[in-house]
Amino acid sequence: RKEVEQDPGPFNVPEGATVAFNCTYSNSASQSFFWYRQDCRKEPKLLMSVYSSGNEDGRFTAQLNRASQYISLLIRDSKLSDSATYLCVVAIYGNKLVFGAGTILRVKS
Amino acid sequence: SQTIHQWPATLVQPVGSPLSLECTVEGTSNPNLYWYRQAAGRGLQLLFYSVGIGQISSEVPQNLSASRPQDRQFILSSKKLLLSDSGFYLCAWTATSRAYEQYFGPGTRLTVT
Repeated sequence: RKEVEQDPGPFNVPEGATVAFNCTYSNSASQSFFWYRQDCRKEPKLLMSVYSSGNEDGRFTAQLNRASQYISLLIRDSKLSDSATYLCVVAIYGNKLVFGAGTILRVKS
Repeated sequence: SQTIHQWPATLVQPVGSPLSLECTVEGTSNPNLYWYRQAAGRGLQLLFYSVGIGQISSEVPQNLSASRPQDRQFILSSKKLLLSDSGFYLCAWTATSRAYEQYFGPGTRLTVT
């Protein structure tokens, strides 16, 4: 079983739509959680950290459910510029992160 | 502010040739440094990480090696490339105080022919 699993997509949505991505992780000792965004042929960039209480950054909302070992990312009012691959990332121990393979989002006009 | 540089941006090398990729970080001291590889359509695979000069931890046994000769310099090397070494190589850094927030360089796209 992969340490971090994501639905690869692609998710094809119209502009203005709300879209949600899910991610599960296998190690119950995981300590920190993140969403990264990766544009085509570019480096990943930190989008937001994910806290147990849930957190919001503009149109983006991240949720963590430790009991179910589940992380989500909700994007409201999708923009064309949101088209990218979204990577779910888990810190298990030490200074190392484990990256999911990513979910592709395509926002169309 | 901190910046991270990688070069070259793209590289085409024949099988059996050596490799040297360089990464440098500016605007911070004593960063943790990481090398990742991303194969086409795949997730990021951690190759090496370093918490200080001369301190290298290897995650995946393979024909690659890493060195950290200076505080803000991280080098990925190979003596003989394999076809399977093709991929997108990414260097990342974190501040020791926020060790889980990683920031990536622009990457090197390596094609082994």
